Order: sequence, then structure tokens, then C-alpha cells
Amino acid sequence: EVQLVESGGGLVQPGGSLRLSCAASGFTFSSYAMSWVRQAPGKGLEWVSYISSSGTTIYYADSVMGRFTISRDNAKNSLYLQMNSLRYEDTAIYYCATFSSSVYWGQGTPVTVSS
Amino acid sequence: DIQMTQSPSTLSASVGDRVTITCRASQSISSWLAWYQQKPGKAPRLLIYKASTLESGVPSRFSGGGSGTEFTLTINSLQPDDFATYYCQQYSSYLVTFGGGTKVEIK
Repeated sequence: EVQLVESGGGLVQPGGSLRLSCAASGFTFSSYAMSWVRQAPGKGLEWVSYISSSGTTIYYADSVMGRFTISRDNAKNSLYLQMNSLRYEDTAIYYCATFSSSVYWGQGTPVTVSS
Repeated sequence: DIQMTQSPSTLSASVGDRVTITCRASQSISSWLAWYQQKPGKAPRLLIYKASTLESGVPSRFSGGGSGTEFTLTINSLQPDDFATYYCQQYSSYLVTFGGGTKVEIK
């Protein structure tokens, strides 16, 4: 059974940092490009970042460029999102997902940026 | 970026109705389209991928069609559990984009 399990979300003050993790199982993680997608309260879905299967190709949404860093550890079947300089508008549920010949999503981890 | 235009934004229907939601891409995405159902407080649930492939465990009353730039999600014989918000998503490029959502309400 394919599983993507996010963790690391929580409450953080503006300007603070968080590191999200996504543990993958049930598929050959190292063969799949991965993405982070977020959903702010009451809003639609927004792509955040992409990393290729090898980790050599990375893209970010303009809204997080320079503040967020995506990475992966294929030996640990894990995906990460380091979020720095957090803003109120980064408050959202963050999902890890893969979109290719198969589509898999995790259940999400909530991030709240508030003073 | 590929823009996804979903319509209608709200749909009022009754149990047993057949409903169709449309999604239009700003450029051709071949069949790289997925449909999701989302209920409040829950993660999106994958219904359809590759435009017309039903995800395992999804009832057969859901069906997807189209290719290129025009896509549809059809729900045959709407059930009480189907009242939710539905999103389309293109994944033809690394920068995936989503439609604005269609809320299916009880008439």
C-alpha cells in the first residue's frame, strides 16, 4: 500500500522556521519526482515546490522562492521542506505528493504562522 | 503556467441527478489531468487520473473524459456522500495547477 506521511507542522511566529518531512512507503520512492502542495484555510490548492527523482532539478513557486528549500533523501525514502522567514500567508495545510504515471498524496500537515 | 478554468463554481443538484463538471486548460495537456473530491477538513481524495482512469476504490458512478484542453467529470446518480467540492488538476509539467473548484450542493 502506498503511503505518504507528512510531519513537522505546527504553530510558528512570523519570521520563524519549520522543517516539514514526508515519509514514503509502498513504492519505489527514488524513481519518482515529488512535490509539495498547500491549501490555505478556505482557499484552493497551490503548488509550492518540485524536486526530480534524483534531486538534481528543483523548482519553486514565486511566493516561496528564496525562503523555502526542498530536498530529499532517497536512502531514507523521505522528502523535506525547509521553510524560513515564514509569513502569515504561509498558513496552510501542506501536502507532499507525486504526479506522474501514478498520483499519490499524503494527508497533510498543518502550518500556522501567527504571533 | 498552464491555467485551469473549472465550471461551474457552484452546482445545486438532487440525489439521483447526473452532474457534469467541466475543466478547460489554457494549452494542451494531453491526458495529464486528475480530478479530486474534497470535504471540509479532509485531504483531497483522488477520483480520476490520466483524464479517465478511475482510482481504485472509487465508485463507478464517477467517470472522466476528454483530452487536450477540454475535460469533464461526470457523476451518475448523485449520492448523499457526493456533496463536496471537486477540483481538476493538470500535471503535464512540473508546475502543476488546479482549477478553482466546484462546490456540489444539495438542491
